Amino acid sequence: EAQVTQNPRYLITVTGKKLTVTCSQNMNHEYMSWYRQDPGLGLRQIYYSMNVEVTDKGDVPEGYKVSRKEKRNFPLILESPSPNQTSLYFCASSGQRGYGYTFGSGTRLTVV
Amino acid sequence: AQTVTQSQPEMSVQEAETVTLSCTYDTSENNYYLFWYKQPPSRQMILVIRQEAYKQQNATENRFSVNFQKAAKSFSLKISDSQLGDTAMYFCAFSRRITGTASKLTFGTGTRLQVTL
Repeated sequence: EAQVTQNPRYLITVTGKKLTVTCSQNMNHEYMSWYRQDPGLGLRQIYYSMNVEVTDKGDVPEGYKVSRKEKRNFPLILESPSPNQTSLYFCASSGQRGYGYTFGSGTRLTVV
Repeated sequence: AQTVTQSQPEMSVQEAETVTLSCTYDTSENNYYLFWYKQPPSRQMILVIRQEAYKQQNATENRFSVNFQKAAKSFSLKISDSQLGDTAMYFCAFSRRITGTASKLTFGTGTRLQVTL
């Protein structure tokens, strides 16, 4: 089954404790992206990657890091999480322009 | 930069009725794509319908159809014969048409649709 797999689904952590949210896709997609969803703001792009070793900032990159060492994986790293990073996070991938994205099931992150 | 505006934060419709969700966007691009995504309580993002800006014909997927007005930069979603399972948050999204690659989705703030008995 073609899918984007995100883990974990839920995560509660404390301020300053480094964490990684994993994302993997099995569709051989070149384009991958991370979004965060906040009430009243919709989804906003954090980082994206157009291919292996090619990444760039989206609209809200502060406090986040990404890497793309393999085509299928695109982890999101929060090196020192803060409460304002409490949000719902989505990983998504796309193989063809204009056909939209396939989204992961989301990660609900709470930073206390 | 592109922006997407959904002016209806919440809407309600009775089962079997028709409802229209509004979306406007702002762009200087001539070639682009527009999408409606559905997010039910499970929070999964599900593609409902897509429209290519260079096609004048409005897209249709079963009970879902769009009214695409390029000059007015309007892209509304019509849901016919509403069902309880249509209860969800609906997001309008825009994507530029770039040769050889996908591009960023810019989302609106969403419309929460409640289908009632």
